[in-house]
Amino acid sequence: DAKTTQPPSMDCAEGRAANLPCNHSTISGNEYVYWYRQIHSQGPQYIIHGLKNNETNEMASLIITEDRKSSTLILPHATLRDTAVYYCILMGAGGTSYGKLTFGQGTILTVHP
Amino acid sequence: DAGITQSPRHKVTETGTPVTLRCHQTENHRYMYWYRQDPGHGLRLIHYSYGVKDTDKGEVSDGYSVSRSKTEDFLLTLESATSSQTSVYFCAIRDQTMNTEAFFGQGTRLTVV
Repeated sequence: DAKTTQPPSMDCAEGRAANLPCNHSTISGNEYVYWYRQIHSQGPQYIIHGLKNNETNEMASLIITEDRKSSTLILPHATLRDTAVYYCILMGAGGTSYGKLTFGQGTILTVHP
Repeated sequence: DAGITQSPRHKVTETGTPVTLRCHQTENHRYMYWYRQDPGHGLRLIHYSYGVKDTDKGEVSDGYSVSRSKTEDFLLTLESATSSQTSVYFCAIRDQTMNTEAFFGQGTRLTVV
């Protein structure tokens, strides 16, 4: 599976936007970029995903570069409850992938008051 | 929240004893997964299922077996528990439609003494 690279940790002030980068230079044409987060060792929580176009939902925005080799997850107004480990994961859309997720180390985002 | 339940939530067992963890879903999703998470690590895939009685190994399958006799249940068995299997175990489910997210359970904390 293609790999992703994320910074190990980031800080953000409460109320400010948190921009979490992810590099995936070997991404394949049919692979989606998924973002999950894990709070306090709870089960991972889905945030957003995309293929080529930028995506936005009630939680976050996902910006994917035109060459698809990197992406950025944006939490527009971070709160203390957004403190978590954020995982950027590639998942193929083909049938043989079976939707398996390969987790890396993720980025520990700490939101400060 | 997706209907996914793991049981038990906590268990302490002795080395050499068999242990079975249960993942139950009410979503009728085709795909089910078992992951383990150890301190300082992301989640690692143990086994997965792509249908009733259809299962396959993940990256850390040694010492584990699984069974799926009906859509809603996916069982993970440690035939003879070892201390190295002390971990937090997460189950996940996903619809067969591609380009969808996976939902995770709340985890089972297993301690082998």
